Amino acid sequence: QKEVEQNSGPLSVPEGAIASLNCTYSDRGSQSFFWYRQYSGKSPELIMFIYSNGDKEDGRFTAQLNKASQYVSLLIRDSQPSDSATYLCAVTLFSGGYNKLIFGAGTRLAVHP
Amino acid sequence: DARVTQTPRHKVTEMGQEVTMRCQPILGHNTVFWYRQTMMQGLELLAYFRNRAPLDDSGMPKDRFSAEMPDATLATLKIQPSEPRDSAVYFCASAPGNPSYEQYFGPGTRLTVT
Repeated sequence: QKEVEQNSGPLSVPEGAIASLNCTYSDRGSQSFFWYRQYSGKSPELIMFIYSNGDKEDGRFTAQLNKASQYVSLLIRDSQPSDSATYLCAVTLFSGGYNKLIFGAGTRLAVHP
Repeated sequence: DARVTQTPRHKVTEMGQEVTMRCQPILGHNTVFWYRQTMMQGLELLAYFRNRAPLDDSGMPKDRFSAEMPDATLATLKIQPSEPRDSAVYFCASAPGNPSYEQYFGPGTRLTVT
């Protein structure tokens, strides 16, 4: 089992719809959770982080965390073609005496007009 | 605005040659990471420094890769000798330090080894 799992997609949604991106993780001890957006040929860009169970909203983005289910999600409201990118979920993992960030393989999102 | 910078942006080299990639973290960030990204493996952590000291380089092939931070404004990743399987995009990221893992990525170095 991979430490961080995401559906590779592509997830195709129409413009204006809600895009829902999901991520599960294997380490119950993980404390911090991040969503990065990566446009083709570019570097990952941090868009959201969440540390506590529940929802965290920032503009059109909402991160949701359920530690009991080991599940984190990202909702994008009013999706725009400019949101088309790969979204990487990242989770802290305590290993070798230190926390490090483990990335999922990413979900490709395509928003069509 | 503050950004992580990396040089070179692109590098094409022949198998067996030495490759050195450089990274300047965001000023004030004391944690630096090196990642490699390929289509097959995704984003893999190679090495991790805090306050210039290496904390974890378990993701790095030790026989050919080395990472250092000669000072707080420079991190280097060296491959010697390079092999075609090293072809990838190498990213450097920095973070403001524990407990923050809000990492900010540089633009990457696209390495092609022929």
